[in-house]
Amino acid sequence: AQSVTQPDIHITVSEGASLELRCNYSYGATPYLFWYVQSPGQGLQLLLKYFSGDTLVQGIKGFEAEFKRSQSSFNLRKPSVHWSDAAEYFCAVGSWGGSSNTGKLIFGQGTTLQVKP
Amino acid sequence: GAGVSQSPRYKVAKRGQDVALRCDPISGHVSLFWYQQALGQGPEFLTYFQNEAQLDKSGLPSDRFFAERPEGSVSTLKIQRTQQEDSAVYLCASSWTGGRIGKLFFGSGTQLSVL
Repeated sequence: AQSVTQPDIHITVSEGASLELRCNYSYGATPYLFWYVQSPGQGLQLLLKYFSGDTLVQGIKGFEAEFKRSQSSFNLRKPSVHWSDAAEYFCAVGSWGGSSNTGKLIFGQGTTLQVKP
Repeated sequence: GAGVSQSPRYKVAKRGQDVALRCDPISGHVSLFWYQQALGQGPEFLTYFQNEAQLDKSGLPSDRFFAERPEGSVSTLKIQRTQQEDSAVYLCASSWTGGRIGKLFFGSGTQLSVL
């Protein structure tokens, strides 16, 4: 079955430091991969997505992610974290199936990012 | 409106009550999804509409859960005889694409607490 694992439930980094959030997936075919961010009281916002092509994808707010098929990973990175980046981050894989071949997202359980001044 | 709107923002229900949660997607969006997000967890798929057709309801946890989108725009998620395990944030998302995962726009959710 398709699944997404985010091994780190909570991460704390200092403002200005680099960030890497880990994501591992289990999917039988070529995955469609996503990173979303959720601030308190807000909806999920798409940071970036990978469908095919270049394995290093750029997103909004200075984030990037690298798809590594051999490691079944899609880690999110940012060179220098800002205090406003404190939020919950979710990795997701697109999954198709069922009689209608509906595309749906399977999410990891999330990583909470805390930024120290 | 500019984004996906959900109401109410918070809902407190006594166990056994029926509740109705509303989602106003972005105008013109074909696809509409409902997700359930339990505390400390990632969202989990509930159901999917393409226009007014409910094409996938495989994620609905029981027959107490019912969703509709009669005119292909506003959608309502109804939960009958609520139980404590129904307490969660219910997220609605919409996309202009039909049948495939485009860029999903999420609402802020309805936080349901069942006492």
